[in-house]
Amino acid sequence: DTAVSQTPKYLVTQMGNDKSIKCEQNLGHDTMYWYKQDSKKFLKIMFSYNNKELIINETVPNRFSPKSPDKAHLNLHINSLELGDSAVYFCASSQVLTGEQYFGPGTRLTVT
Amino acid sequence: ELKVEQNPLFLSMQEGKNYTIYCNYSTTSDRLYWYRQDPGKSLESLFVLLSNGAVKQEGRLMASLDTKARLSTLHITAAVHDLSATYFCAVDMSNSGYALNFGKGTSLLVTP
Repeated sequence: DTAVSQTPKYLVTQMGNDKSIKCEQNLGHDTMYWYKQDSKKFLKIMFSYNNKELIINETVPNRFSPKSPDKAHLNLHINSLELGDSAVYFCASSQVLTGEQYFGPGTRLTVT
Repeated sequence: ELKVEQNPLFLSMQEGKNYTIYCNYSTTSDRLYWYRQDPGKSLESLFVLLSNGAVKQEGRLMASLDTKARLSTLHITAAVHDLSATYFCAVDMSNSGYALNFGKGTSLLVTP
């Protein structure tokens, strides 16, 4: 069983489009995250979310929005895609006790 | 702002040699993590260090944490080609929903 899954694995789209990436975890964790990895492999937190609180990295444009239908899912919606949004997006989940995060396989987004 | 600095960023070493990767961080934290990433793949958790003086070993890798010095090390013993990957250290940002603040990563290449 895959612990943290994401779909799609690859996403190619044009500027101005709106897209979503889905994430599911079956680990029973309370907290989920979205990270962005740029072309230089630098990883940066975008959002962290549990069933009580959403924390947004202030540098993330408001075109990005997380949506959580339930505790096991955290989807990422992106409006009006820009060239600079091209990156690999990783979903992760953790339990607060150790903070160890488990990452999904990543979604490679290419905006043309 | 929490800063996490790794060095070196690039490391080419011969099989059989030993080397240490360093991870410094700028603010108080008792939780530090090491991850491995192979090209085009996700992040794999290697070590979870949760207290001052913590030392963990797995195969040819050993990680340690000195919270007073705000320093973690990842020591490689008798390197083999299979260890070639990018290694990230990450520090828990407890005031941001426990998201991780990552170093820039150390790209390790082990050559015959």
